[in-house]
Amino acid sequence: DIQLTQSPSFLSASVGDRVTITCRASQGMSKYLAWYQHKPGTPPKLLIYDASTLQTGVPARFSGRGSGTEFTLTISSLQPEDFATYYCQQLISYPPFGPGTKVDVK
Amino acid sequence: QVTLRESGPALVKPTQTLTLTCTFSGFSLSTYGMSVTWIRQSPGKALEWLARVDWEDDKYYRTSLKTRLTISKDRSKKQVVLIMTNVDPVDTGTYYCARGTSGYVYDYMDVWGKGTTVTVSS
Repeated sequence: DIQLTQSPSFLSASVGDRVTITCRASQGMSKYLAWYQHKPGTPPKLLIYDASTLQTGVPARFSGRGSGTEFTLTISSLQPEDFATYYCQQLISYPPFGPGTKVDVK
Repeated sequence: QVTLRESGPALVKPTQTLTLTCTFSGFSLSTYGMSVTWIRQSPGKALEWLARVDWEDDKYYRTSLKTRLTISKDRSKKQVVLIMTNVDPVDTGTYYCARGTSGYVYDYMDVWGKGTTVTVSS
C-alpha cells in the first residue's frame, strides 16, 4: 500500500497570500495524484488531477506540480472562498486519500 | 448534466443496518470506465473511501469494513446502494457518492452528490 502524508496539517494565511501544500507518497506513483477542496456543508471538489491538470472550471490560481513521491498544490493568491480543507488522493492503491490540510484565516 | 444524490435515514440505532441510495443521472454505469464510489467524513476526521462499483459490476471495499459493506447497482433505476451492517456510533458522519470515469479502482471523482448525514445513536 502507498501511504500519503500532507504538510502542513494546518496553515494560517491571509487573502492574497501564496499558499503551497505538499503531499508525499511512501512509494513512487508517477503522476497519478489529484487534489480536492472541501468546505463544510458542501461536497469535495476536484481541483487538479494527474498531478497538474486543472479540472474544468477551476480558477487558474490553483496549480499542481510533482511526480513520483512529492507533489504540491499552490494557490497563487488566496481568495476568501479558498479557505477550506485540501486533500490529495492517489489512484494507485489503498488508502487513496491523504489526511488533509486545513487552510484557515490568519 | 451529471448529478448524484444520496438518500437514506438520518438516524439509525447501534447494531442496525444502514441502507444508503445514490441516485444518479447524466451518465450510464454501463459505459466503459464509469464507476460510483461511496466516501464518508466522520466528525473531525478526513475523507474515507468506502466502496466502489464499476461498469463491469466489479466491487471494491474499504479493507477495514469489508465484512460490513455491500455495494450494488441497479442500472435500470440508475441507483447504487450501499448497505452497512451492525452500525456503531463511530459510523456517524456525512456519506457521499461520487462518479469516476477512468476505470481505476481509486479513481478521480469529478462529480459528487451533496451528501447525506447519518447519526448512529440509541
